[in-house]
Amino acid sequence: KQEVTQIPAALSVPEGENLVLNCSFTDSAIYNLQWFRQDPGKGLTSLLLIQSSQREQTSGRLNASLDKSSGRSTLYIAASQPGDSATYLCAAISSGSARQLTFGSGTQLTVLP
Amino acid sequence: GAGVSQSPRYKVAKRGQDVALRCDPISGHVSLFWYQQALGQGPEFLTYFQNEAQLDKSGLPSDRFFAERPEGSVSTLKIQRTQQEDSAVYLCASSGSPGSYEQYFGPGTRLTVT
Repeated sequence: KQEVTQIPAALSVPEGENLVLNCSFTDSAIYNLQWFRQDPGKGLTSLLLIQSSQREQTSGRLNASLDKSSGRSTLYIAASQPGDSATYLCAAISSGSARQLTFGSGTQLTVLP
Repeated sequence: GAGVSQSPRYKVAKRGQDVALRCDPISGHVSLFWYQQALGQGPEFLTYFQNEAQLDKSGLPSDRFFAERPEGSVSTLKIQRTQQEDSAVYLCASSGSPGSYEQYFGPGTRLTVT
């Protein structure tokens, strides 16, 4: 059974800093990995999706990497802004699954102005 | 529609009551998922539909939980005889063709059982 872990659980950084959020998964036979953002009281907003054949995806100030062999993914946020404050969740779809996402518990990010 | 919508956004139920939560997926999306998110945790899978067929219900926590999607569009998650441990946010997601794995989420329904 796939298990997804995110470290740290919470992170506070000053505005302008570059930062990395970590995600690890136990079953390397994943089909893809997706990063989401969740604001308080809101649903999930998809940020980046990396297919198993890819090593990274970029969107604006965000870059996500995937290393299946080590069971790790990272989300890099450049030049952080207070508006980036949210909970960031990673989720994996395993190749043998019925396509449901298995989520980590998230990293709560606070960017201080 | 522009996105996945869910109603109601908030629901308070007394223990033992039945509740029904509605999900309107993105128009034309074939796949629909329900997830349950406890406070401070990531969402956990409940059930999956492809069109009107419920292909996976392995995540439903008990036989008090029931989901349907009779016409392959709108879905309803029903919880019978609610218990306090059912308090959570219930999220619905949809995705396009069966080969498209990117899921789009609704705002969720926050259920509080008192």
